[in-house]
Amino acid sequence: GNSVTQMEGPVTLSEEAFLTINCTYTATGYPSLFWYVQYPGEGLQLLLKATKADDKGSNKGFEATYRKETTSFHLEKGSVQVSDSAVYFCALSDPFNKFYFGSGTKLNVKP
Amino acid sequence: DAGVIQSPRHEVTEMGQEVTLRCKPISGHNSLFWYRQTMMRGLELLIYFNNNVPIDDSGMPEDRFSAKMPNASFSTLKIQPSEPRDSAVYFCASSSTGLHEQYFGPGTRLTVT
Repeated sequence: GNSVTQMEGPVTLSEEAFLTINCTYTATGYPSLFWYVQYPGEGLQLLLKATKADDKGSNKGFEATYRKETTSFHLEKGSVQVSDSAVYFCALSDPFNKFYFGSGTKLNVKP
Repeated sequence: DAGVIQSPRHEVTEMGQEVTLRCKPISGHNSLFWYRQTMMRGLELLIYFNNNVPIDDSGMPEDRFSAKMPNASFSTLKIQPSEPRDSAVYFCASSSTGLHEQYFGPGTRLTVT
């Protein structure tokens, strides 16, 4: 079956620190992979995506590379800001556009 | 462009009452998804539609929950009768064939007292 596992939070960092949030997946076939971000009181927003192996998704300084050999899609950012504080969800989609979400990782960035 | 629209944004009701949540997907999208988010269980897919037809309702918790999509621009999620354990944030999302990502609405925060 399909599933996504991501690191538990919360993750607390100081401003300008390097961020990594780990995500691994189990899937049949060749899923697309996503990172979504949720700010307090809001819906989920697409942060970045990758649709095939070795693709790198990037947006707003965040990056993630689709690694088929390790079934991973780790989220990274070189220098986090206070405004990056949010909950981050890793997800995969099957060929029918059904999504499987991880449990979410809360990021707190301190000034 | 208008995104996914949900109403109401907040709903407070008493146990036993009927609750109806509404969603308008992005124009041109042909897939619609209803999710529920709680602290205990995270984000759960309840049901999804493709071309207005329910494809997978295995996530609907019980018979008190029902969802309809009478046309391409409108869907409802109904809970009757509501119970305190239904308190959650309910999200609607839409997508379209060939588009890999889903777009989420702002959610409806439901409180059942």
